Amino acid sequence: NAGVTQTPKFRVLKTGQSMTLLCAQDMNHEYMYWYRQDPGMGLRLIHYSVGEGTTAKGEVPDGYNVSRLKKQNFLLGLESAAPSQTSVYFCASSPGLAGGPGETQYFGPGTRLLVL
Amino acid sequence: GNSVTQMEGPVTLSEEAFLTINCTYTATGYPSLFWYVQYPGEGLQLLLKATKADDKGSNKGFEATYRKETTSFHLEKGSVQVSDSAVYFCALSGANSKLTFGKGITLSVRP
Repeated sequence: NAGVTQTPKFRVLKTGQSMTLLCAQDMNHEYMYWYRQDPGMGLRLIHYSVGEGTTAKGEVPDGYNVSRLKKQNFLLGLESAAPSQTSVYFCASSPGLAGGPGETQYFGPGTRLLVL
Repeated sequence: GNSVTQMEGPVTLSEEAFLTINCTYTATGYPSLFWYVQYPGEGLQLLLKATKADDKGSNKGFEATYRKETTSFHLEKGSVQVSDSAVYFCALSGANSKLTFGKGITLSVRP
């Protein structure tokens, strides 16, 4: 049982390039989330999904797109990377939508992205 | 909207010292409250949680009590270890069904 895995671990992009971050979970969780972590800012929600085929915007969705074609995978895309998107990206999953009593999110190890 | 405020850091303590990390929140409804911990180079993991007022969450010697009257969820440990060095995040989940995190605080424990 690997839990939540993220690919790649680290990536350097040039401004304007595109890339896709992959998140996979093997816990059969319905809900998945993408966050970015920046110094002094905590974690901010980018997009989330409440089930296969669904996505919704979080706090900071601009410049990102997501897809949830399979229940176990949640992809985060950057169509045209900008230096402001330099960050550490975390994926998480939970059995039910956070906000139900005591629902816990399980996090992946993170992807470090540097945009030059 | 919902928000979480954590005390400013970083915090440096000697081993076996007492730890308190303050967390206060603003929320509509009756949120669940969480402390997550991030060890160096890793993702976040749940440390403890409380789902209603006056509940006490505890794990690995850490405790936090859900105080509705003061809208607080302060994290405490009686005797910290070097292995407790990490970043600690307070978070809440509320009626809008999303987690809101504080900015996090870095704890360093010296031998």
